[in-house]
Amino acid sequence: GENVEQHPSTLSVQEGDSAVIKCTYSDSASNYFPWYKQELGKGPQLIIDIRSNVGEKKDQRIAVTLNKTAKHFSLHITETQPEDSAVYFCAASRDLNNAGNMLTFGGGTRLMVKP
Amino acid sequence: NAGVTQTPKFRVLKTGQSMTLLCAQDMNHEYMYWYRQDPGMGLRLIHYSVGEGTTAKGEVPDGYNVSRLKKQNFLLGLESAAPSQTSVYFCASRDRGLADTQYFGPGTRLTVL
Repeated sequence: GENVEQHPSTLSVQEGDSAVIKCTYSDSASNYFPWYKQELGKGPQLIIDIRSNVGEKKDQRIAVTLNKTAKHFSLHITETQPEDSAVYFCAASRDLNNAGNMLTFGGGTRLMVKP
Repeated sequence: NAGVTQTPKFRVLKTGQSMTLLCAQDMNHEYMYWYRQDPGMGLRLIHYSVGEGTTAKGEVPDGYNVSRLKKQNFLLGLESAAPSQTSVYFCASRDRGLADTQYFGPGTRLTVL
């Protein structure tokens, strides 16, 4: 089955700096890669996703890049703010049209943005 | 529109006790999922359902049972709780037409003593 590795497990940055979180996956058939943000005491919330037919996607201060050859994808947050502090999870899945397709999650990254 | 809700929010059980966690969604989603979240391990899929009356096993199904008698509800049962089932449980749902965007509930923190 799919295996997703996520690094680093914790990341501390100064407000205004950039943060990068990296994930690798094992199943070359995976074609959907979402990123979730989990705030304390809440469930994960989708913040951005990318499909295998594109290499990069941006949404304001957040961007995700995908390298299918190397089987890794990354989350980039620019101009970090204290409210970006949370746990971030990457995930991977295949078969977009398969009703039962499953997301495999990375272990999570705790991001701390210092004011 | 409440989205995905979970009941209860917290629960403490003794080894061997049973309980049922309830997940409800008001988005008319076809697919529903139960995950458990343990430190450093991300979220792992326990069971899922692709429609009313259907369920299937995920990555870590042992010790759990599920039922989807109504489209909007997905129940997770522990027949004989064990300390290894201490975890935070999340329910999620997604729409058939919106591909993989899964919407998560707020979670249930379960402690088994």
